[in-house]
Amino acid sequence: GENVEQHPSTLSVQEGDSAVIKCTYSDSASNYFPWYKQELGKRPQLIIDIRSNVGEKKDQRIAVTLNKTAKHFSLHITETQPEDSAVYFCAALRPLTTDSWGKLQFGAGTQVVVTP
Amino acid sequence: EAGVAQSPRYKIIEKRQSVAFWCNPISGHATLYWYQQILGQGPKLLIQFQNNGVVDDSQLPKDRFSAERLKGVDSTLKIQPAKLEDSAVYLCASSLPQTVNTEAFFGQGTRLTVV
Repeated sequence: GENVEQHPSTLSVQEGDSAVIKCTYSDSASNYFPWYKQELGKRPQLIIDIRSNVGEKKDQRIAVTLNKTAKHFSLHITETQPEDSAVYFCAALRPLTTDSWGKLQFGAGTQVVVTP
Repeated sequence: EAGVAQSPRYKIIEKRQSVAFWCNPISGHATLYWYQQILGQGPKLLIQFQNNGVVDDSQLPKDRFSAERLKGVDSTLKIQPAKLEDSAVYLCASSLPQTVNTEAFFGQGTRLTVV
């Protein structure tokens, strides 16, 4: 079946360094790849997303890259700060079409710890 | 705009008891998801509704879990009887129909502890 794999499961970085999280997906019909941040005890919230017709997207210190051929996408956080500490989830969406229902699948998550 | 509402926030029950969770999605969102998030893991899709119809329940343990979305708005998820391994946060999310890259909005979740 379709799945999304995410690595690493935990990531410790020094404040100011960069963090990179990688995901792979199996469903070639997926065309939308959001990233969610979940702070302890809170709901997942969207921080950035990328569509399949784009290779890279950047928003301040956060960037996402997509390689459709290899079916992998990555989240890059630069100049990390303590408030970046959280669990980050990647996801892949297979869109709703006349042939199939849309489906949003999540990776297992990456616990990011930024130490001052 | 109002977000996805869930209740209760917390629930503690004994194994073999039953429990129900409620979700009110964002107005106008036809797609509704229920996810189970076990501590330290990513959200696992249990069931997905499009309006009031089920479009994916392949990972729902149907011998004990059930869900409905009457009238295509609010939804309830029930577990009967509960097992210890059902302890998790149950997240409800909603979105516009996923024709093109639509964001899913999550509720606060219901933390279930089965003892």
